[in-house]
Amino acid sequence: AQRVTQPEKLLSVFKGAPVELKCNYSYSGSPELFWYVQYSRQRLQLLLRHISRESIKGFTADLNKGETSFHLKKPFAQEEDSAMYYCALSGYSTLTFGKGTMLLVSP
Amino acid sequence: DVKVTQSSRYLVKRTGEKVFLECVQDMDHENMFWYRQDPGLGLRLIYFSYDVKMKEKGDIPEGYSVSREKKERFSLILESASTNQTSMYLCASSEDRAADTQYFGPGTRLTVL
Repeated sequence: AQRVTQPEKLLSVFKGAPVELKCNYSYSGSPELFWYVQYSRQRLQLLLRHISRESIKGFTADLNKGETSFHLKKPFAQEEDSAMYYCALSGYSTLTFGKGTMLLVSP
Repeated sequence: DVKVTQSSRYLVKRTGEKVFLECVQDMDHENMFWYRQDPGLGLRLIYFSYDVKMKEKGDIPEGYSVSREKKERFSLILESASTNQTSMYLCASSEDRAADTQYFGPGTRLTVL
């Protein structure tokens, strides 16, 4: 069975500090992984996907198959990054989401 | 720009009532999904549909049913609402494959008294 684990419910950092939101997965096939983000009072939306290997809003994520991880990183956090972040794994016909990590960036 | 709309932002119902949550997407997407979002539990898939009149159970289908009579519309039905179904309900659609981007609606916050 596929599973996504986000070990931190809450991550609190100061503006300008580096951020790493952890995501580990369990999947027998070749995984496709995503990060979705939900800002306050906004709908859930795609932040980035590993196959595109792009940086969105300064965030990057590298798929590490050896460690089965897909951690989300940003070198300098901004207050507007405060949001709920979900890691997701694509299976045959659905996405499996982690439980989410709330990122709070303080001034 | 993909638009997914949900019929209500807030809904208050009583235990035992039949509840309908409606979702409409305007991008001719094949797949549609219903999730519930609860603090500490993340998003859990209730049902999904990959074609008109087709439906598949997700991870937590008990107490729910769905209907997809038209491609653009996917309804979630609570046959007899219970207090443990108080939650935020999110609808989403995607073009074709599971790995395609899912586009979410704004959500319906349902309270069952």
